[in-house]
Amino acid sequence: GAVVSQHPSRVICKSGTSVKIECRSLDFQATTMFWYRQFPKQSLMLMATSNEGSKATYEQGVEKDKFLINHASLTLSTLTVTSAHPEDSSFYICSAQGGTLGTDTQYFGPGTRLTVL
Amino acid sequence: AQSVTQLDSQVPVFEEAPVELRCNYSSSVSVYLFWYVQYPNQGLQLLLKYLSGSTLVKGINGFEAEFNKSQTSFHLRKPSVHISDTAEYFCAVSFSGGYNKLIFGAGTRLAVHP
Repeated sequence: GAVVSQHPSRVICKSGTSVKIECRSLDFQATTMFWYRQFPKQSLMLMATSNEGSKATYEQGVEKDKFLINHASLTLSTLTVTSAHPEDSSFYICSAQGGTLGTDTQYFGPGTRLTVL
Repeated sequence: AQSVTQLDSQVPVFEEAPVELRCNYSSSVSVYLFWYVQYPNQGLQLLLKYLSGSTLVKGINGFEAEFNKSQTSFHLRKPSVHISDTAEYFCAVSFSGGYNKLIFGAGTRLAVHP
């Protein structure tokens, strides 16, 4: 139990384009999903929290219009990086919690490496 | 406000030796405590967690941690490490009750040498 997948695992795009990253809970219903960003050799920085069917709550300093989050179902959340620029290059990790697994533990996806040229 | 301090950024150790990775937290309310491991270019895997009850928590891969409320610590230990334990280890804390943000420490790089 508690398997979270992300797609794609790696993406390279040109500056100015938009990129969508999917996060899926495969064997449980995730009422809440979280999106993190991780720079090389650093810890995880929470970007936003999303509850199924509601608007995401963004952390201070995270641009809502740049990082669009949708949590349309109990098993899928998406992060769209709009008009990506080289400074958006990073490792993006999602996590999920809820359903039969309860709300005390987050389970993480394998991450998506975004490179913007 | 909650915070997590991992006292060592890197811990080198020889194979089969014991290891302790230190974690201290600060919080004015009850917390849940977690240790996650991250292998290169991968997401985080839950090693163990403390929610309540016994202060000694056993996790996967032979790791254990002890919650010490008076010292606000949650140190991770393994009696004998393997080369495959080489990874980044993150301590994290959240508020007890409800769905919660995780506050992460800066991470400790465990390097196991033959």
